[in-house]
Amino acid sequence: DTEVTQTPKHLVMGMTNKKSLKCEQHMGHRAMYWYKQKAKKPPELMFVYSYEKLSINESVPSRFSPECPNSSLLNLHLHALQPEDSALYLCASSQARGSNVLTFGAGSRLTVL
Amino acid sequence: RKEVEQDPGPFNVPEGATVAFNCTYSNSASQSFFWYRQDCRKEPKLLMSVYSSGNEDGRFTAQLNRASQYISLLIRDSKLSDSATYLCVVLPNTGNQFYFGTGTSLTVIP
Repeated sequence: DTEVTQTPKHLVMGMTNKKSLKCEQHMGHRAMYWYKQKAKKPPELMFVYSYEKLSINESVPSRFSPECPNSSLLNLHLHALQPEDSALYLCASSQARGSNVLTFGAGSRLTVL
Repeated sequence: RKEVEQDPGPFNVPEGATVAFNCTYSNSASQSFFWYRQDCRKEPKLLMSVYSSGNEDGRFTAQLNRASQYISLLIRDSKLSDSATYLCVVLPNTGNQFYFGTGTSLTVIP
């Protein structure tokens, strides 16, 4: 069982839809991440939150909007996506200091029609 | 120059073979090193952290060479279940950004 929980597992949306991906961890980790992964490619960093503050935005288009309501939750709000945004979206968390192992959720597989 | 370089393979090896993957990193100040395993359509999972003195976990041995800035993973007595993509991951000594290699695809053949 993964210690980082992502919902939904699968999402199909149209280009005009608004949807959200959700991520939750209860390991006391203070850094949380969103990655995008296409087939046969490594995970590509999108955002990092450290102590609930956005610390890294890898020039992600504004149609992706992250939110960190508290230290356990991370959301990714989606609006006006393009078909090329179809991918596996992975949430991960780590200790912000000390032992920095990155733990991934099972991912949300997004298809944009 | 990429932060982490890794041979993408693919590596196709028979059961029982020994296979080695290498990975180089560009930031000499990097502090933490990891090998992750990713099965098809699943999330990456930590296989092992890599320590300066080298470390072993069953059939898996990881080594770090700081002078040459590379890490390696050796898999002995390969099993069919070892078939996966192996990702080299590096964390610099500042910040929380992990850097990933491209991943090396391994297929163990009966």
